[in-house]
This record gives sequence, C-alpha cells and structure tokens, in this order.
Amino acid sequence: QVQLVQSGAEVKRPGASVKVSCKASGYPFSNFGFSWVRQAPGQGLEWVGWISPYNGNTKYARNVQGRVTMTTDTSTSTAYMELRSLRSDDTAVYYCGREPRVAAAGTLDYWGQGTLVTVSS
Amino acid sequence: DVVMTQSPLYLPVTPGQPASIFCRSSQSPVFSDGNTYLSWFHQRPGQSPRRLIYKVSNRDSGVPDRFSGSGSGTDFTLKISRVEAEDVGFYYCMQGIYWPRTFGQGTKVEIK
Repeated sequence: QVQLVQSGAEVKRPGASVKVSCKASGYPFSNFGFSWVRQAPGQGLEWVGWISPYNGNTKYARNVQGRVTMTTDTSTSTAYMELRSLRSDDTAVYYCGREPRVAAAGTLDYWGQGTLVTVSS
Repeated sequence: DVVMTQSPLYLPVTPGQPASIFCRSSQSPVFSDGNTYLSWFHQRPGQSPRRLIYKVSNRDSGVPDRFSGSGSGTDFTLKISRVEAEDVGFYYCMQGIYWPRTFGQGTKVEIK
C-alpha cells in the first residue's frame, strides 16, 4: 500500500535552516510528484510547493520563493524540502502529499503524517 | 491566486441528520482534459488530511457512501447524508489546476 513517512519534529532558531524528508513506498517513485503543504497552529492548509522526481521540475509558493528548495532522491524514494532563513511564522506542521508527476492538473491523494517545525529563539 | 471560499465555517450537526458544505472557486477549475479538479479533504484533530472526493464527485476508496460531492463551474458542494460522530473535524476544498494550489479556509464540523 502507498505510504509516505516523514522525518521527526524539529526545533530551530530564527535564521536557521530545516530539511524535512518524506520517504515513499508502495508505488513506483518516479511516477508521481510531491506537493508540500503546511499548517500553522490553529490555521488552515497552505500549499508550499511541488516537485516531480520524473524531471526535477519544481513550483514554489511566492511567500517562500528564494528560501525553499525541494529535491528528490530516486535511489531512496525520498523527497526533501529545505527551508532557509527561518522565521517565527514558518512554525507549522509540514505535510508531503502525492501529486501527478507533471505540472498539470492534480490532487493530493496520499499524505504523510506531518512534521512539526518550530521556530523559536 | 485562485481564491477558494467555503461556507459555513462552523457547522454544528445532529447525528443522523444531513449536512452540506459549500465551496466557491474564483476561477473554474476545469482543465483542458475536460475534468474539473476540485477535491475535498477531511482532517480530524491531530491527524493528516485525508482525501474524500476528487474531480468533484468521485469518492476515494474506503470513503463511506454517505459522503457525496457535486457541482460545476465555480460552485461545489460536499454533502453528508447522515452525519456520524466520526465525521467531526475540519473539511477543506482544494482546486488542482492552477499554481499555486489553493485550499478553502476550512469548515469545522462539530456534533451538537
């Protein structure tokens, strides 16, 4: 069965970087892309970006553009999201979700369990 | 960005009664393949979102048939025919053709 397993919670200082991983199993890794979605405490869902393991294409939300890099490692079936220059308003649970592998229409059909990233001095 | 507007934002429900959540998209999520990429997700407290409905009206595997989706153009509805206690939590609609992907604000469903 399809599973997305994310790395554990992180606590970071403002200005630091964090890298969250999402290990996929149960399907051919390169056949699907990943979206990353975050949820600040008590808030709704906010899309952060998308990456395709198929061709490496990415799309990022404007409010993290320049601070975020999404990558994949096909040898370990793992997607990564690195966020730099962390601010307090980056504190959120970060989810990976499976999407189509091309930048076309789609939906997140499977989700990881979430990774809490806390940014605090 | 495409704005997804849900209503109501809070929905107290009585078990066994029907409930409906509405979602309006500022632009129609109809793709060039003719499909409408509007999805609904359910999130229980402390859990990841789970997709219930995709392409407006297709139920995901394992989703009870008391859940149904409908709509066209820019207006969409999620209906629960008979609410059960396990249906509490937040419900989100999402459009899947424009970048950035955007979600509705969320509707909190609570048992009266």
